[in-house]
Amino acid sequence: SSELTQDPAVSVALGQTVSVTCQGDGLRAFYASWYQRKPGQAPLLIIFGTNNRPSGIPDRFSGSTSGDTASLTISGAQAEDEADYYCQSRDITSAHLVFGGGTKLTVL
Amino acid sequence: QVQLQESGPGLVRPSQTLSLTCTVSGGSISSAYYWTWIRHLPGKGLEWMGYVFSSATTYYNPSLKSRLIISADTSKNQFSLKLSSVTAADTAVYYCARYYYDSSGVNWIDPWGQGTLVTVSS
Repeated sequence: SSELTQDPAVSVALGQTVSVTCQGDGLRAFYASWYQRKPGQAPLLIIFGTNNRPSGIPDRFSGSTSGDTASLTISGAQAEDEADYYCQSRDITSAHLVFGGGTKLTVL
Repeated sequence: QVQLQESGPGLVRPSQTLSLTCTVSGGSISSAYYWTWIRHLPGKGLEWMGYVFSSATTYYNPSLKSRLIISADTSKNQFSLKLSSVTAADTAVYYCARYYYDSSGVNWIDPWGQGTLVTVSS
C-alpha cells in the first residue's frame, strides 16, 4: 500500500511561513493534492499537481515535492488559515486513493 | 460549475444498511471522472471509501469492500452508496466528490458535496 504520513499538528505565528509535509512511497509516482478542512465545512482543494492552485485560492499557498515527500507551504499565514490540512494521492499498486492523517495548523 | 449534493437518512440502526445518494448538477456522471465517496470519522481523518467510473466500474477500499456497494444511475445523474451491517464505528460525515486522475500522475478531488452526518445508533 501507499500510506501517507503527516505530522499531527503544526503551529505558526501570524504572518510567518510554515510548511506541512506528507511522506509516502507513492509520491514518487503520483502527485499529492492538498485540502483544507475547517470545522463544519467540506474539504477544499488548495493545491494539485506540480504546484497548481484552483481559482480563488490565495497565492500564499504553494506546493512542492522532493522524492517521497510533498510539502504545502503557507507564506504569510493568516488567522483564517487555521484549519486541518490533508494530503491525498493514489496507491502505487492499485487504483485506490489514500489520505494522510491530517495536520492541524494553529496560527498564533 | 459542477455541484454535488448528498441525501439520505441521518440515523441508521446498527446492523442495518446505510444508503446515500449523490446528485450531480452542472455536469454529467458519464464524463471522464471518478465519482467518489469519502467519509470523515469523528476525531479521525478522511477515509476514501470507493468510486465508480464509466458508470459501472468500481473500486473499493479493501477495509470496506465486503460491506460496500457503489453504483451510478446515469438517467438521474446520480451515484449511490450502500454500506451494510453498520455499527457505531460507521458514524461519520459522508461526502460525495469528483475525482480526477491522468497518466501524468496528477490526481485531485474537487468539488466535494457539503457532507451529511450519518449516526449509527439504536
